[in-house]
Amino acid sequence: EVVMTQSPATLSVSPGERVTLSCRASQSVGDNVAWYQQKPGQAPRLLFYGPSTRATGVPARFRGSGSGTEFTFTISSLQSEDFAVYYCQQYNYWPPITFGQGTRLDNK
Amino acid sequence: EVQLVESGGGLVQPGGSLRLSCAASGFSFSSYWMTWVRQAPGKGLQWVANIKQDASEENVLDSVKGRFTISRDNSKNLVYLQMNSLTVEDTAIYFCARDWLVPDYWGQGTLVIVSS
Repeated sequence: EVVMTQSPATLSVSPGERVTLSCRASQSVGDNVAWYQQKPGQAPRLLFYGPSTRATGVPARFRGSGSGTEFTFTISSLQSEDFAVYYCQQYNYWPPITFGQGTRLDNK
Repeated sequence: EVQLVESGGGLVQPGGSLRLSCAASGFSFSSYWMTWVRQAPGKGLQWVANIKQDASEENVLDSVKGRFTISRDNSKNLVYLQMNSLTVEDTAIYFCARDWLVPDYWGQGTLVIVSS
């Protein structure tokens, strides 16, 4: 099973800041990584796959990148609605698809 | 509009059983793999099972193999998760999602609590 490790676990940020989240795979997963956003009490929302292909309706301030074992999710200028938990997920080796433990963005 | 609506969760004693259902609409259900993912309280996401379009292939998380079974009824646009011999570690919100590699649409989930 591929282990996805996200860092940091929690990030305290202010609106307008640039945010960079990291995700590392325990072995190479090629480009087969997706990113999700989850707000409290809601289902996860797909943001990116491939890992830089934007899902429908995802704002341009969001960006996904990386390949192999190192992946990055960036928010160029954080908006108030972006406070949430973000998960990376690999789908190169399945079953199972596996998720990182998540990075929570807190309002500083 | 794609919609996935889970039902069947609730409080069950250890060793008990539940069958979760997921009603799909707004897309060609029989053209997609379907997936169940769970989330324990305050924890991250864990894939549980998936099933191919024609139910010819099913995959289940190793730790629940032999206890959980996924199935589908394409005539009713429903996917099921039969859960037997439940333990407290199975307590979670169970989400139904479309597709098997990159779940793109998710339901709101149904809460399963296993407790005596």
